[in-house]
Amino acid sequence: AQSVTQLGSHVSVSEGALVLLRCNYSSSVPPYLFWYVQYPNQGLQLLLKYTSAATLVKGINGFEAEFKKSETSFHLTKPSAHMSDAAEYFCAVTLGGGADGLTFGKGTHLIIQP
Amino acid sequence: NAGVTQTPKFQVLKTGQSMTLQCAQDMNHNSMYWYRQDPGMGLRLIYYSASEGTTDKGEVPNGYNVSRLNKREFSLRLESAAPSQTSVYFCASRRDRVGQETQYFGPGTRLLVL
Repeated sequence: AQSVTQLGSHVSVSEGALVLLRCNYSSSVPPYLFWYVQYPNQGLQLLLKYTSAATLVKGINGFEAEFKKSETSFHLTKPSAHMSDAAEYFCAVTLGGGADGLTFGKGTHLIIQP
Repeated sequence: NAGVTQTPKFQVLKTGQSMTLQCAQDMNHNSMYWYRQDPGMGLRLIYYSASEGTTDKGEVPNGYNVSRLNKREFSLRLESAAPSQTSVYFCASRRDRVGQETQYFGPGTRLLVL
């Protein structure tokens, strides 16, 4: 079975500063990894995904993530935070292949300070 | 192209009442999913359906039933609602092909059980 750990339920950064949201996974086989963003009272929107191609993945809104197998990590970064980035961020994993659902981390609430 | 739609958006139930949450997708996806989201818990898989006529339990299936009515629609039923089922419910869908593991989410149904 796979699992996901997101370090920090809340992360606060200043506008213009680097955003780093941490995600570690455990999986018995090579996983597919995702980052989703959720704005207040909305559904989940895909930011980016890793599906065994390039290890550095670029997503929407200037976000990117790097898959590091040796560290079992898939951290999300953005060079310069914007006020509009304030949201809940979820890391998720699936083994792919069949119709298996996603296993989610507990989420990180990103706060942007002016 | 509406993507994934869910009805109702919000519902209040009394303990012991029943209701059905509706989900439909217009992307011709094979697999559909129901998740619940609780504060600090991330999203947890309730049930999923790999194809019309098939359903499988997820992580937290107790107290729920599902029906895959056709390829487009996947409903979630609470036969006798309990306060512990107060949550936000999300439906999702995906196409089951290699390289297309992304799940697309609906806007959610907020359920309050008194």
